[in-house]
Amino acid sequence: EIVMTQSPATLSVSPGESATLSCRASQSVGSNLAWYQQKPGQAPRLLIYGASTRATGIPARFSGSGSGTEFTLTISTLQSEDSAVYYCQQYNNWPPLTFGGGTKVEIK
Amino acid sequence: QLVESGGGLVKPGGSLRLSCAASGFTFSDYYISWIRQSPGRGLEWISYISGASTTYFYADSVKGRFTISRDNAENSLYLQMSSLRAEDTAVYYCARGAPRYMDVWGRGTTVTVSS
Repeated sequence: EIVMTQSPATLSVSPGESATLSCRASQSVGSNLAWYQQKPGQAPRLLIYGASTRATGIPARFSGSGSGTEFTLTISTLQSEDSAVYYCQQYNNWPPLTFGGGTKVEIK
Repeated sequence: QLVESGGGLVKPGGSLRLSCAASGFTFSDYYISWIRQSPGRGLEWISYISGASTTYFYADSVKGRFTISRDNAENSLYLQMSSLRAEDTAVYYCARGAPRYMDVWGRGTTVTVSS
């Protein structure tokens, strides 16, 4: 099973600044990585797939990069509505599909 | 969209059947997954089934206890859960897509296993 590790656990950022979230896989997953955003009381929402392709309707301020074992989600020009928990998920080696433990983004 | 139902309070060792109603897309064209979320275990994929029900997989944590099925005529997905344990307590989501990313999620249904 591929273990996904996200860091940091919590990130506090001022509005208008950028947030950089990291996700590491225990072995290579190629570009088969997705990012999700989850707000309290809501289901996860797909942001990025294929490591860098934005899902339909996702603003351009969300960008993904990386391949192999190291991945990054960058949220530029942070807005208050971006306060959420962000999860990465690999779909290269399955079953099982595996998720990271999440990074909570707080707005200062 | 996807809408889950069937959650509730059940005693350890008991059974429960979850349902997921789909609309707005051709249900039979898609793999559908069940994913659960609990405070202690985060997001955990537990099962998926192919559009024609010919392929399905389970996480080790539920294998032998949970059964996934679907009725394409009814645009519905099911999860039959038996021998439930306290650690099965979670919000259960159905989500479109597997074995890849999941692009449409339901709002979830809560399962609580407690005596």
